[in-house]
Amino acid sequence: DTGVSQNPRHKITKRGQNVTFRCDPISEHNRLYWYRQTLGQGPEFLTYFQNEAQLEKSRLLSDRFSAERPKGSFSTLEIQRTEQGDSAMYLCASSFGDGAYEQYFGPGTRLTVT
Amino acid sequence: GQQVMQIPQYQHVQEGEDFTTYCNSSTTLSNIQWYKQRPGGHPVFLIQLVKSGEVKKQKRLTFQFGEAKKNSSLHITATQTTDVGTYFCAGYHIMEYGNKLVFGAGTILRVKS
Repeated sequence: DTGVSQNPRHKITKRGQNVTFRCDPISEHNRLYWYRQTLGQGPEFLTYFQNEAQLEKSRLLSDRFSAERPKGSFSTLEIQRTEQGDSAMYLCASSFGDGAYEQYFGPGTRLTVT
Repeated sequence: GQQVMQIPQYQHVQEGEDFTTYCNSSTTLSNIQWYKQRPGGHPVFLIQLVKSGEVKKQKRLTFQFGEAKKNSSLHITATQTTDVGTYFCAGYHIMEYGNKLVFGAGTILRVKS
């Protein structure tokens, strides 16, 4: 068990560019979550998958954000036409089972939009 | 805005002193989880409380869930420098919040040695 991994760890991009982040959850975990965290705040829910199905998406998530988990294993989060307000830490977490069980977080991808 | 509130926002204690952080929800929760995030790190699960009035202990840490399941607290006895970090509570209520956790803004703990 190597834990949850995320790539890249850091991303600097110019406003208007598209970026894609990858998350590899713990292998037997069926649930995968994406969060965004800014300074002084707790993780803010973006979306989650149960296996390959995207079951919930935050109303705060604009159409520029899309996530996939094509085979129920790794997931990608894409942000199109990035804006400076997108600068944040993007965290991925995974858990096993149905319901609110403990979540294992990855190290995050820090996005800076210039 | 945040539906799960935490106070205080920040606390700086002398090593050996006790520390408490409080979490309040605007709605009754099904359960509550606590996480710790070290500076530069990611959140790490500490504990989950499910029952009304539940109290759980982990060494010097004591977690409580209120009778109405709307508030919770984390108390650390005799803080050590290794306790430094941000402590988050996260509430779960499928009807109110959907099938996800709602995190508070956290309490930052600094410990002076």
